[in-house]
Amino acid sequence: AQSVAQPEDQVNVAEGNPLTVKCTYSVSGNPYLFWYVQYPNRGLQFLLKYITGDNLVKGSYGFEAEFNKSQTSFHLKKPSALVSDSALYFCAVRDGRRDDKIIFGKGTRLHILP
Amino acid sequence: EPEVTQTPSHQVTQMGQEVILRCVPISNHLYFYWYRQILGQKVEFLVSFYNNEISEKSEIFDDQFSVERPDGSNFTLKIRSTKLEDSAMYFCASSEALSLGRATNEKLFFGSGTQLSVL
Repeated sequence: AQSVAQPEDQVNVAEGNPLTVKCTYSVSGNPYLFWYVQYPNRGLQFLLKYITGDNLVKGSYGFEAEFNKSQTSFHLKKPSALVSDSALYFCAVRDGRRDDKIIFGKGTRLHILP
Repeated sequence: EPEVTQTPSHQVTQMGQEVILRCVPISNHLYFYWYRQILGQKVEFLVSFYNNEISEKSEIFDDQFSVERPDGSNFTLKIRSTKLEDSAMYFCASSEALSLGRATNEKLFFGSGTQLSVL
């Protein structure tokens, strides 16, 4: 069965600095990987996905993520953080060869300090 | 952008009572999901639904849970006899299905959720 680990409950970054939110995964087949963001009182919103191809994928709001097969990681990054990036971020995975379900991590709260 | 809508936003019920959570997925989407999030914990998959039947469900989705698409627009989650541990935020989501019934477009659209409190 697939699983996702987000080792940090909270990440604090000063505005303008680069940010990284960590994610590692486990699947038996090919990983389909995703990042979603949740703002207060809202549902999850899609940020980006990796299915195949270039290991560096770009998504909404200037975010990008790098797929690393050997480390089974899919860390979320942004070169310069904004205060408005403060939110709850979820990494997610689907086993590309089988299940329909997408499994989410527990989330990492990103706090950008002005 | 089109939205998934969920009602009610908050639901308070007594233990043992039945509740129905309602969702209106995006109109041209064919795959539907329910997830839940217990406060401070991860978002848990409950069930996926396609072509008027359950395509997959988790071990959480036991006999107390059921889903239905009663008409062309609504998608409901019913909990027959609620337990204290059912208290959570319940999210509905939908996605397009592009190829042979599988959700190959992986972008899920989520509603804002229903906060269920079981007393």
